[in-house]
Amino acid sequence: EDQVTQSPEALRLQEGESSSLNCSYTVSGLRGLFWYRQDPGKGPEFLFTLYSAGEEKEKERLKATITKKESFLHITAPKPEDSATYLCAVQAGRNSGGSNYKLTFGKGTLLTVNP
Amino acid sequence: NAGVTQTPKFRILKIGQSMTLQCAQDMNHNYMYWYRQDPGMGLKLIYYSVGAGITDKGEVPNGYNVSRSTTEDFPLRLELAAPSQTSVYFCASRPGTRQETQYFGPGTRLLVL
Repeated sequence: EDQVTQSPEALRLQEGESSSLNCSYTVSGLRGLFWYRQDPGKGPEFLFTLYSAGEEKEKERLKATITKKESFLHITAPKPEDSATYLCAVQAGRNSGGSNYKLTFGKGTLLTVNP
Repeated sequence: NAGVTQTPKFRILKIGQSMTLQCAQDMNHNYMYWYRQDPGMGLKLIYYSVGAGITDKGEVPNGYNVSRSTTEDFPLRLELAAPSQTSVYFCASRPGTRQETQYFGPGTRLLVL
């Protein structure tokens, strides 16, 4: 069974204080690992897709990296507007019973950036 | 493009009532999904569709039904609402097999009392 564990559950940073969020995963043949941002009362907003170990993606103050067991979302010099819940999800590469179509989500990390 | 749209935004149901959550996308995506999100939990897949006329169950399908008569629309039907169905429901879509990223709607908050 595919599993995704995110840590920490909550993280509070001062503006400008860089840090990383962790996503550990177990999946039978990774088809893709996804990072989403979710603001309160809103739907998840797509950030990045990573497909294989060693891949990196960047967008403004965010950088996502991946190994064979985990992914990190690095936040450099965060601003208060980066405050949100960050979700990690994986899609398996196996083709059985349609399970290759679904995403398995972690519970998310609630990031708060104080000014 | 409006993307993925969902209606209503919020609804209160009494136990035993029925309702349909609407989802539409204007991106001509083949794949559509329904998830529910409970506090402190990850999103769980309820049903999905790989194209018009084709649907299948996800992890938590009990108490729900879906249909996909067009590419654009993927309504979720709740029959005999129960308090356990109190949740936030998200619809998502993605283009096709070679493009894995799912794009989500704004959600419908449902309270069953």
